[in-house]
Amino acid sequence: NAGVMQNPRHLVRRRGQEARLRCSPMKGHSHVYWYRQLPEEGLKFMVYLQKENIIDESGMPKERFSAEFPKEGPSILRIQQVVRGDSAAYFCASSPRLDSQETQYFGPGTRLLVL
Amino acid sequence: GQNIDQPTEMTATEGAIVQINCTYQTSGFNGLFWYQQHAGEAPTFLSYNVLDGLEEKGRFSSFLSRSKGYSYLLLKELQMKDSASYLCAVMDSNYQLIWGAGTKLIIKP
Repeated sequence: NAGVMQNPRHLVRRRGQEARLRCSPMKGHSHVYWYRQLPEEGLKFMVYLQKENIIDESGMPKERFSAEFPKEGPSILRIQQVVRGDSAAYFCASSPRLDSQETQYFGPGTRLLVL
Repeated sequence: GQNIDQPTEMTATEGAIVQINCTYQTSGFNGLFWYQQHAGEAPTFLSYNVLDGLEEKGRFSSFLSRSKGYSYLLLKELQMKDSASYLCAVMDSNYQLIWGAGTKLIIKP
């Protein structure tokens, strides 16, 4: 059973460009979470999605950031017009369902560097 | 508000024992998780506590006291590879994980 997959593992963008991060959850998992981690800091929750639904986006900046989890295909975290402060590691995690104390399993992360 | 507190950094000696504490205040409680994160890598699951008491898993043990809003992770027979950050996370009433900032554990020979 493949784990959570993220790509790309590393992404370099210039200021003003768009960054698109992909996450494929573990097989059988229908819940996806995105986190951001700045160097030497803890994980910060961004958004929680189920297939075709955003459940909680309270941790996501109101502008430039968006997320989706379509019926088919991976979850996408999209950052428009990137700025240097967006440089961070972005982790995706998945779990089987909401009403469960199931562990969240993490992908390897995408390290975004904005020049 | 919701809050998870854990020390920023700890140092211990190879072969020794170390206890990493975590205190929490959250809206509801559906369990407490400990994760290990090596530098540059993803967090990996270590333990889950939902009832009071001690859960032992090899060299690692995790303790929970719900009435005190307190947990600790105990690492025995420390090895150099245990150098990592240890993240405490609490699942709240909405089944969302609230994360602490992590404790960086440095192991010295």
